[in-house]
Amino acid sequence: AQSVTQPDIHITVSEGASLELRCNYSYGATPYLFWYVQSPGQGLQLLLKYFSGDTLVQGIKGFEAEFKRSQSSFNLRKPSVHWSDAAEYFCAVGAYGGATNKLIFGTGTLLAVQP
Amino acid sequence: GAVVSQHPSRVICKSGTSVKIECRSLDFQATTMFWYRQFPKKSLMLMATSNEGSKATYEQGVEKDKFLINHASLTLSTLTVTSAHPEDSSFYICSAGLAANTGELFFGEGSRLTVL
Repeated sequence: AQSVTQPDIHITVSEGASLELRCNYSYGATPYLFWYVQSPGQGLQLLLKYFSGDTLVQGIKGFEAEFKRSQSSFNLRKPSVHWSDAAEYFCAVGAYGGATNKLIFGTGTLLAVQP
Repeated sequence: GAVVSQHPSRVICKSGTSVKIECRSLDFQATTMFWYRQFPKKSLMLMATSNEGSKATYEQGVEKDKFLINHASLTLSTLTVTSAHPEDSSFYICSAGLAANTGELFFGEGSRLTVL
């Protein structure tokens, strides 16, 4: 069965510092991988996605993620964090069967940004 | 990008009543929509896959008689929480994709249900 693990429940970084959020997945085939961000009380916004091709994926808001098949990982990175990046981040893997394309989410990482 | 809208964004109801939450794809047609439930400080749990013109497919452990899903048109899916109880209080989020197997889902703003 497909699954996603985000080992870090809560991370605090200083504004301007670099950021890496970890994500490991379990999937039998080549996965479709996603990172979403959720602000309090809001829905989810897609940051970036990996389907195939270049394993380093660029997203919105200066985020990037690297797919590493050998490590079953899809870690999210940002070189310099802004205070507005404080939010909850979810990694997800696409689980496909027939005509559906449901996503399985990790438990999320809550990012706090210190001034 | 594609827009998915949910209504209401917040609802408070008394225990024993039923509540309906609507999910609309505003600028595209969605043959399939997904309903998720999010507990406080927890991840999103997939509840069911809503299929236009047919019965919803529920995930294991989700009570289909408690959470009624109807997908009557290509732009509207509804989730009805029947005989709501305080433990049904949660954040419910719907999502839809542009086409099968493109992978990307677009999410609604979520609906916060509080059952008193």
